[in-house]
Amino acid sequence: EVQLVESGGGLVQPGRSLRLACTASGFTFEDYGFHWVRQAPGKGLEWVSSINWNSDRTDYADSVKGRFTISRDNAKNSLYLQMNSLRVEDTALYYCAKDQRRTVYGAFDMWGQGTMVTVS
Amino acid sequence: QSVLTQPPSASGTPGQRVTISCSGSSSNIGSNYVHWYQQLPGTAPKLLIYRNNHRPSGVPDRFSGSKSGTSASLAISGLRSEDEADYYCAAWDDSLSGWVFGGGTDLTVL
Repeated sequence: EVQLVESGGGLVQPGRSLRLACTASGFTFEDYGFHWVRQAPGKGLEWVSSINWNSDRTDYADSVKGRFTISRDNAKNSLYLQMNSLRVEDTALYYCAKDQRRTVYGAFDMWGQGTMVTVS
Repeated sequence: QSVLTQPPSASGTPGQRVTISCSGSSSNIGSNYVHWYQQLPGTAPKLLIYRNNHRPSGVPDRFSGSKSGTSASLAISGLRSEDEADYYCAAWDDSLSGWVFGGGTDLTVL
């Protein structure tokens, strides 16, 4: 089955760390760029970070730059988001999304179901 | 405050045609493709329109997109109750070196 499954969310205190994972199946993971997008409760979508197919390009929203790190392991078909120095305003449902292309510039054509991060 | 501006809400009756606007600037919509996402209640977003006006496989041709200058629009014709959802536009922003989303439009089918 073609899918993305996020994990690693939970309740964490401000200032602590959390690592999210997204495991892909049903397609050739290494052929695509990936993204993290979050949605605070009752709010809209906010782009967080992107990584291209071979990890030589990463981008971050200003709101998370210097605190979050995106990475991937193509051998494990997995995408990660290391979140440090978490703040209350980072509370959101975090989605993993696949890019249409190897780069980070295509549309997000597949989304996971999300993993909830609560900072309190 | 979102970089891309959408109306917070829209509505129509079954069978009607509705449009949702998305306004940006030269660094995003003006120089890059616009994509649209549909988020049904309680579900993850889904790609609805890519590269301004292309529909992924499985998306009905009732949905269409267009772009002109620094603005884009999503049109839904033959409105159906199952179209009730939040709709988001998105584009790459060259100045920010990142993706920007609209604030979302909550579509109600009356």
